[in-house]
Amino acid sequence: GIQVEQSPPDLILQEGANSTLRCNFSDSVNNLQWFHQNPWGQLINLFYIPSGTKQNGRLSATTVATERYSLLYISSSQTTDSGVYFCAVGVPSGTYKYIFGTGTRLKVLA
Amino acid sequence: EAGVTQSPTHLIKTRGQQVTLRCSPISGHTSVYWYQQALGLGLQFLLWYDEGEERNRGNFPPRFSGRQFPNYSSELNVNALELEDSALYLCASSRNRDQPQHFGDGTRLSIL
Repeated sequence: GIQVEQSPPDLILQEGANSTLRCNFSDSVNNLQWFHQNPWGQLINLFYIPSGTKQNGRLSATTVATERYSLLYISSSQTTDSGVYFCAVGVPSGTYKYIFGTGTRLKVLA
Repeated sequence: EAGVTQSPTHLIKTRGQQVTLRCSPISGHTSVYWYQQALGLGLQFLLWYDEGEERNRGNFPPRFSGRQFPNYSSELNVNALELEDSALYLCASSRNRDQPQHFGDGTRLSIL
């Protein structure tokens, strides 16, 4: 089945630093989302981005579907950005499935 | 617009018992998804319902089951609870399978 791998698995930043999170997937996908899971377990939608580039404030994302990867950029990081970032893909092959990546655990230090 | 709501927020059960978790989707959303997240781990896809039908299920035993009602709300049932069923159970909804999923706050299930 499809593999969805995220890197790096863990990341520690000083407040104000920039970072790039990567999501690689091994097969064609119909859709791709980025989520932030806060320390209380809530999953927050960041981007729905099956292809192209989107920006929302300090965050932006790019998906290159033909090369099977997506990137999430966080600029001027804040302590509230801490948590786990997941990408998730919808896979059309066979019976439609939703697969979450392995996650990147981010800690931003004040 | 009200978000996805789940109940209860917390639940404690013992081995062998049965549990029912509930989810109300965002108005206008017909697809409901269930995920299991064991402590410190990623999300595992459990079930997908759309228009009242089960469309797909993940690699979970048959004691995990559910249904979707005509108003698109959904229940997840787990029979014969085991210790490893302790997890956060998350429900999401979307307009259809190719639209963004929006998550509820989850139900934390602890098995003693």
